[in-house]
Order: sequence, then structure tokens, then C-alpha cells
Amino acid sequence: AQTVTQSQPEMSVQEAETVTLSCTYDTSENNYYLFWYKQPPSRQMILVIRQEAYKQQNATENRFSVNFQKAAKSFSLKISDSQLGDTAMYFCAFMKGNSKLTFGKGITLSVRP
Amino acid sequence: EAQVTQNPRYLITVTGKKLTVTCSQNMNHEYMSWYRQDPGLGLRQIYYSMNVEVTDKGDVPEGYKVSRKEKRNFPLILESPSPNQTSLYFCASSFDRFNSPLHFGNGTRLTVT
Repeated sequence: AQTVTQSQPEMSVQEAETVTLSCTYDTSENNYYLFWYKQPPSRQMILVIRQEAYKQQNATENRFSVNFQKAAKSFSLKISDSQLGDTAMYFCAFMKGNSKLTFGKGITLSVRP
Repeated sequence: EAQVTQNPRYLITVTGKKLTVTCSQNMNHEYMSWYRQDPGLGLRQIYYSMNVEVTDKGDVPEGYKVSRKEKRNFPLILESPSPNQTSLYFCASSFDRFNSPLHFGNGTRLTVT
């Protein structure tokens, strides 16, 4: 069974600074997808970024980028120029071909003004 | 507007009283699924459906039922709710298994007393 581990329960960052959220996973699959979802206090789940395992290039979406290390099974999220609106819980998630999406336990990120 | 609609947003009920949480999507998505979110556990998949009349168990299916009679609807049924089913529930959908991100509903906060 796949597992997704987010070992940091919470982090704090100063506005405009950069923060990295870590995520590791365990799988025997070769083809899969990795995601970061954001859940603000409104509790809505918002897709932040997605990475296909067969792509070596790290995904980037504006201020959000990932460091995907397939051999190490690591998938960290970097948020540059942190904004107050980035305050949320962030979930790392793994999906293989049968569509079962496995989430980590989440990390609470607080951006300080 | 493309969306996944869950109802109700909040529900308080008593042990043993059957309830249904509705989920509807207007994007003609084939794939739909239900998750529950609990503190410290992240999101766990309850059931998913690859298409009409095709459903399968996720990680925590006990105590839940689903049906997929129409493509747009995927209700979650609790035949005899118990307090351990108190949770935040999310419905999600996507166009296909591999390349499409999940679209989440706004969640249903269920309390079983």
C-alpha cells in the first residue's frame, strides 16, 4: 500500500520569504502522480500543483514549485514570496493508475505579516 | 460555472438515523469519489466510482454506501450513523483517471451524537 508522509505538523514563515514543505512517499509503482493541495480556513480543497512521475522536470506554478526526487521518493513544495493568503493547511497526495488518491496528514502553514 | 456541489454543508444527527449526503457535478466527469477528513489523519478515501454503475471501496468504506445511477450524482449513504463517523466529508470528481485534477466540493461537516 502507498503511504504519504508529511512529518512537519506546522510551519511559520515571514511574509515575502520562501518556505519549503516536505513530503515523502512510499510506492512500488513506476507511473504515478503527485499533488499538493491547499486548504484555507474556508476548508475548500484547492489544487496547487501536480507532478507526473515520468517527467523529470519539476513542475512550477507561479510562486509555487516542487522539488521532485523520484529515487528518494521525495516531493517538496517551495512557496516563494509568501503571502498572507498562503496561510492554510497543505496536503501532499499520491495517485496511481487506479485513481486511488492517498493523502498525507497535512501541514499547517502560517504566514506572519 | 463548473463545480461540485455537496449538500448539506452542515448536518447534526443522532446515532442510527439514516442519512444521505448528496454530491453532484456539472462537468460530465467520469470519476467521482468520497473522502473523510479527520484531524491528524488527513483525507482518507471512502469510495470511488469510475463511471455509472461502477463503484469500488477506498480505504475506509465500513459503515458507508454509495451509488452511481447517473453520471452527475454520487450520493454517500450512512445507513446507521455512529459517533465515529463524525467528520468532514468531501466529494470530488475528475474527467478521467490520469490526467485530470480532482475538483472538490465545499465539504459537509457531519456530527453524529
